Amino acid sequence: QKEVEQDPGPLSVPEGAIVSLNCTYSNSAFQYFMWYRQYSRKGPELLMYTYSSGNKEDGRFTAQVDKSSKYISLFIRDSQPSDSATYLCAMSPSGAGSYQLTFGKGTKLSVIP
Amino acid sequence: EPEVTQTPSHQVTQMGQEVILRCVPISNHLYFYWYRQILGQKVEFLVSFYNNEISEKSEIFDDQFSVERPDGSNFTLKIRSTKLEDSAMYFCASSELTGSGGNTIYFGEGSWLTVV
Repeated sequence: QKEVEQDPGPLSVPEGAIVSLNCTYSNSAFQYFMWYRQYSRKGPELLMYTYSSGNKEDGRFTAQVDKSSKYISLFIRDSQPSDSATYLCAMSPSGAGSYQLTFGKGTKLSVIP
Repeated sequence: EPEVTQTPSHQVTQMGQEVILRCVPISNHLYFYWYRQILGQKVEFLVSFYNNEISEKSEIFDDQFSVERPDGSNFTLKIRSTKLEDSAMYFCASSELTGSGGNTIYFGEGSWLTVV
């Protein structure tokens, strides 16, 4: 069973749509949950991070974590063509000595003008 | 905005050759990382480095790989005797505090390695 599963898409939506991106995971030790945006041949850029369960909102972006279901989501409201990119979920455990992020495969999003 | 810089952006090397990828982390950061992404695959953790020693490494990071902080600013990844399957984008990253605390890990633009 893969540690982090993410639908690779591609996902194509019209400008202004609400986008929902999701990941599931199997490792209950994960406590920190992140969403990165990656443009083609570029490095990942952190968008949001959440600790444990709950919601976090930042502008047009909302991150949700449901630890009981081992399921995380990223919502993008009023999507723009500039949001077209690959979105990666990433997770890490808590505690000293745990440095590595475990990534999903990424969902490629296209926002059509 | 401060950024992680990597060189070279692209390197082509023959199988069996040694490669050194270089990185300049953000200046006040203490934790340094290498990740890699094979084309079409996930971003994978290779190694983390703190206080001049390896903190954690993955199964991928075998004896073929080594990291070094030769001076106060550079952080390098050396791949000895490259194999075809080492072809990937290698990302250097850094963070002010440990990444496990949810502290922001900043990634560089990547070094694309092609082994032929």
